[in-house]
Amino acid sequence: KAGVTQTPRYLIKTRGQQVTLSCSPISGHRSVSWYQQTPGQGLQFLFEYFSETQRNKGNFPGRFSGRQFSNSRSEMNVSTLELGDSALYLCASSPITGGGSPLHFGNGTRLTVT
Amino acid sequence: GENVEQHPSTLSVQEGDSAVIKCTYSDSASNYFPWYKQELGKRPQLIIDIRSNVGEKKDQRIAVTLNKTAKHFSLHITETQPEDSAVYFCAASNAGNMLTFGGGTRLMVKP
Repeated sequence: KAGVTQTPRYLIKTRGQQVTLSCSPISGHRSVSWYQQTPGQGLQFLFEYFSETQRNKGNFPGRFSGRQFSNSRSEMNVSTLELGDSALYLCASSPITGGGSPLHFGNGTRLTVT
Repeated sequence: GENVEQHPSTLSVQEGDSAVIKCTYSDSASNYFPWYKQELGKRPQLIIDIRSNVGEKKDQRIAVTLNKTAKHFSLHITETQPEDSAVYFCAASNAGNMLTFGGGTRLMVKP
Protein backbone atom coordinates (compact mmCIF):
# COMPACT_ATOMS: atom_id res chain seq x y z
CA LYS A 1 0.00 0.00 0.00
CA ALA A 2 1.19 3.49 -0.74
CA GLY A 3 1.80 5.63 2.31
CA VAL A 4 0.40 9.05 3.14
CA THR A 5 1.26 11.47 0.36
CA GLN A 6 1.63 15.19 0.94
CA THR A 7 2.12 17.81 -1.71
CA PRO A 8 4.00 19.97 -2.22
CA ARG A 9 7.09 19.03 -0.19
CA TYR A 10 8.35 22.58 0.01
CA LEU A 11 6.68 25.98 -0.25
CA ILE A 12 7.97 29.50 0.06
CA LYS A 13 5.38 32.21 0.53
CA THR A 14 5.31 35.88 1.46
CA ARG A 15 3.56 37.35 4.48
CA GLY A 16 -0.07 38.08 3.77
CA GLN A 17 -0.44 35.42 1.09
CA GLN A 18 -2.48 32.27 1.47
CA VAL A 19 -1.47 28.66 0.92
CA THR A 20 -3.17 25.32 0.34
CA LEU A 21 -1.57 22.02 1.30
CA SER A 22 -2.78 18.63 0.12
CA CYS A 23 -2.82 15.20 1.73
CA SER A 24 -3.79 11.84 0.27
CA PRO A 25 -4.30 9.22 2.98
CA ILE A 26 -3.48 5.54 2.83
CA SER A 27 -6.07 3.72 0.77
CA GLY A 28 -9.03 2.79 2.96
CA HIS A 29 -8.18 5.29 5.69
CA ARG A 30 -11.04 7.68 6.37
CA SER A 31 -9.53 9.83 9.11
CA VAL A 32 -7.06 12.58 8.26
CA SER A 33 -5.38 14.71 10.91
CA TRP A 34 -3.09 17.69 10.49
CA TYR A 35 -0.22 18.68 12.77
CA GLN A 36 2.17 21.61 12.83
CA GLN A 37 5.78 20.93 13.82
CA THR A 38 8.13 23.75 14.83
CA PRO A 39 11.37 23.74 16.84
CA GLY A 40 9.83 25.98 19.49
CA GLN A 41 6.33 24.53 19.90
CA GLY A 42 6.95 20.94 18.88
CA LEU A 43 4.12 18.92 17.38
CA GLN A 44 0.73 20.56 17.71
CA PHE A 45 -2.65 19.25 16.58
CA LEU A 46 -4.50 21.39 14.05
CA PHE A 47 -7.64 19.43 13.15
CA GLU A 48 -9.04 16.02 12.26
CA TYR A 49 -11.48 15.11 9.52
CA PHE A 50 -13.48 11.92 9.22
CA SER A 51 -16.05 11.24 6.53
CA GLU A 52 -15.80 14.85 5.34
CA THR A 53 -16.65 16.22 8.81
CA GLN A 54 -14.31 18.04 11.14
CA ARG A 55 -14.17 15.98 14.33
CA ASN A 56 -11.71 17.88 16.46
CA LYS A 57 -9.94 21.21 16.25
CA GLY A 58 -6.78 22.38 17.98
CA ASN A 59 -6.00 25.76 19.41
CA PHE A 60 -5.12 27.61 16.22
CA PRO A 61 -6.60 30.85 14.83
CA GLY A 62 -9.35 30.82 12.24
CA ARG A 63 -6.78 31.53 9.52
CA PHE A 64 -6.13 27.80 9.59
CA SER A 65 -8.87 25.78 7.95
CA GLY A 66 -9.28 22.45 6.28
CA ARG A 67 -11.61 20.20 4.43
CA GLN A 68 -11.96 16.60 3.38
CA PHE A 69 -13.32 15.27 0.14
CA SER A 70 -15.47 12.21 -0.49
CA ASN A 71 -12.36 10.20 -1.48
CA SER A 72 -10.83 11.04 1.94
CA ARG A 73 -8.21 13.34 0.48
CA SER A 74 -7.78 16.44 2.58
CA GLU A 75 -6.55 19.99 2.14
CA MET A 76 -5.59 22.59 4.67
CA ASN A 77 -5.52 26.28 3.98
CA VAL A 78 -3.71 29.05 5.78
CA SER A 79 -4.77 32.57 4.95
CA THR A 80 -2.98 35.85 5.63
CA LEU A 81 0.31 34.12 6.30
CA GLU A 82 2.51 35.28 9.17
CA LEU A 83 6.21 34.66 9.72
CA GLY A 84 5.32 32.41 12.64
CA ASP A 85 3.45 30.06 10.32
CA SER A 86 6.77 28.79 9.00
CA ALA A 87 6.75 25.12 9.97
CA LEU A 88 6.60 21.54 8.85
CA TYR A 89 2.95 20.60 8.31
CA LEU A 90 2.31 16.91 8.79
CA CYS A 91 -0.71 14.98 7.73
CA ALA A 92 -1.59 11.65 9.32
CA SER A 93 -4.19 9.09 8.35
CA SER A 94 -5.96 6.35 10.23
CA PRO A 95 -8.66 3.83 9.34
CA ILE A 96 -11.02 5.06 12.03
CA THR A 97 -11.59 7.89 14.46
CA GLY A 98 -12.52 7.54 18.11
CA GLY A 99 -9.08 7.22 19.61
CA GLY A 100 -6.66 4.36 19.96
CA SER A 101 -5.99 4.00 16.27
CA PRO A 102 -2.36 4.35 15.14
CA LEU A 103 -1.66 7.39 13.02
CA HIS A 104 0.46 7.07 9.89
CA PHE A 105 2.27 10.27 9.03
CA GLY A 106 3.25 11.65 5.65
CA ASN A 107 6.61 13.26 4.95
CA GLY A 108 5.16 16.71 5.47
CA THR A 109 5.11 20.02 3.65
CA ARG A 110 7.77 22.47 4.76
CA LEU A 111 6.34 25.98 4.57
CA THR A 112 8.62 28.99 4.75
CA VAL A 113 7.04 32.42 5.10
CA THR A 114 9.26 35.39 4.26
CA GLY B 1 -6.87 20.49 27.81
CA GLU B 2 -4.30 17.75 27.94
CA ASN B 3 -0.69 18.57 28.75
CA VAL B 4 2.16 16.10 28.21
CA GLU B 5 5.63 16.62 29.63
CA GLN B 6 8.58 14.57 28.48
CA HIS B 7 12.01 14.05 30.06
CA PRO B 8 14.86 14.19 29.40
CA SER B 9 15.08 16.47 26.39
CA THR B 10 18.41 14.91 25.38
CA LEU B 11 19.84 11.52 26.27
CA SER B 12 23.24 10.15 25.36
CA VAL B 13 24.03 6.47 25.93
CA GLN B 14 26.74 4.03 24.95
CA GLU B 15 25.84 1.38 22.40
CA GLY B 16 24.44 -1.65 24.20
CA ASP B 17 23.17 0.33 27.19
CA SER B 18 19.50 0.89 27.98
CA ALA B 19 17.62 4.14 27.47
CA VAL B 20 14.55 5.30 29.38
CA ILE B 21 12.32 8.22 28.44
CA LYS B 22 9.52 9.36 30.75
CA CYS B 23 6.30 11.24 30.14
CA THR B 24 3.57 12.56 32.37
CA TYR B 25 0.08 13.60 31.32
CA SER B 26 -2.56 15.71 32.98
CA ASP B 27 -5.94 14.48 31.73
CA SER B 28 -7.11 11.35 33.53
CA ALA B 29 -9.50 10.68 30.62
CA SER B 30 -6.60 10.00 28.24
CA ASN B 31 -6.67 6.37 27.20
CA TYR B 32 -4.19 5.94 24.36
CA PHE B 33 -0.44 6.52 24.55
CA PRO B 34 1.70 6.10 21.42
CA TRP B 35 5.42 6.64 20.98
CA TYR B 36 6.89 7.98 17.75
CA LYS B 37 10.44 7.97 16.43
CA GLN B 38 11.52 10.73 14.09
CA GLU B 39 14.84 10.54 12.32
CA LEU B 40 16.37 13.72 10.96
CA GLY B 41 14.41 15.01 7.98
CA LYS B 42 11.92 12.16 8.11
CA ARG B 43 8.34 11.67 9.22
CA PRO B 44 7.37 10.48 12.70
CA GLN B 45 6.90 6.71 12.78
CA LEU B 46 4.94 4.80 15.38
CA ILE B 47 7.19 2.41 17.29
CA ILE B 48 4.86 1.21 20.04
CA ASP B 49 1.61 2.18 21.70
CA ILE B 50 -0.32 1.25 24.82
CA ARG B 51 -3.92 1.60 25.88
CA SER B 52 -5.13 2.50 29.33
CA ASN B 53 -6.34 -1.00 30.15
CA VAL B 54 -2.79 -2.37 29.84
CA GLY B 55 0.13 -1.78 32.20
CA GLU B 56 3.01 -2.88 30.03
CA LYS B 57 3.70 -3.82 26.43
CA LYS B 58 6.87 -5.17 24.79
CA ASP B 59 8.07 -5.46 21.23
CA GLN B 60 11.54 -6.94 20.94
CA ARG B 61 13.97 -4.36 22.41
CA ILE B 62 11.27 -1.79 23.10
CA ALA B 63 8.83 -1.71 26.00
CA VAL B 64 6.34 0.80 27.35
CA THR B 65 4.91 0.95 30.85
CA LEU B 66 1.87 2.89 31.98
CA ASN B 67 0.94 3.98 35.50
CA LYS B 68 -2.60 5.39 35.33
CA THR B 69 -2.70 6.34 38.97
CA ALA B 70 0.40 8.48 38.73
CA LYS B 71 -0.44 9.52 35.14
CA HIS B 72 2.91 8.68 33.71
CA PHE B 73 4.27 6.34 31.07
CA SER B 74 7.76 5.41 30.00
CA LEU B 75 9.63 4.06 26.99
CA HIS B 76 12.42 1.57 27.57
CA ILE B 77 14.91 0.64 24.87
CA THR B 78 17.34 -2.14 25.68
CA GLU B 79 20.61 -3.02 23.93
CA THR B 80 20.65 0.31 22.12
CA GLN B 81 22.18 0.51 18.65
CA PRO B 82 23.43 3.51 16.65
CA GLU B 83 20.34 3.29 14.43
CA ASP B 84 18.21 4.00 17.51
CA SER B 85 19.56 7.57 17.40
CA ALA B 86 16.60 9.86 16.68
CA VAL B 87 14.07 12.11 18.37
CA TYR B 88 11.39 10.24 20.29
CA PHE B 89 7.98 11.71 21.04
CA CYS B 90 5.41 10.47 23.50
CA ALA B 91 1.76 11.41 23.08
CA ALA B 92 -1.60 11.04 24.78
CA SER B 93 -5.11 11.00 23.42
CA ASN B 94 -8.62 10.96 24.81
CA ALA B 95 -10.59 12.23 21.82
CA GLY B 96 -10.57 10.96 18.29
CA ASN B 97 -7.18 11.08 16.68
CA MET B 98 -6.18 14.27 18.46
CA LEU B 99 -2.78 13.55 19.97
CA THR B 100 -1.08 15.82 22.46
CA PHE B 101 2.66 15.36 22.10
CA GLY B 102 5.47 15.73 24.56
CA GLY B 103 8.37 18.00 23.68
CA GLY B 104 10.58 15.20 22.38
CA THR B 105 13.78 13.49 23.49
CA ARG B 106 16.87 13.50 21.31
CA LEU B 107 18.52 10.11 21.84
CA MET B 108 22.14 9.73 20.80
CA VAL B 109 23.68 6.27 20.85
CA LYS B 110 27.47 6.41 20.76
CA PRO B 111 29.24 3.46 19.10
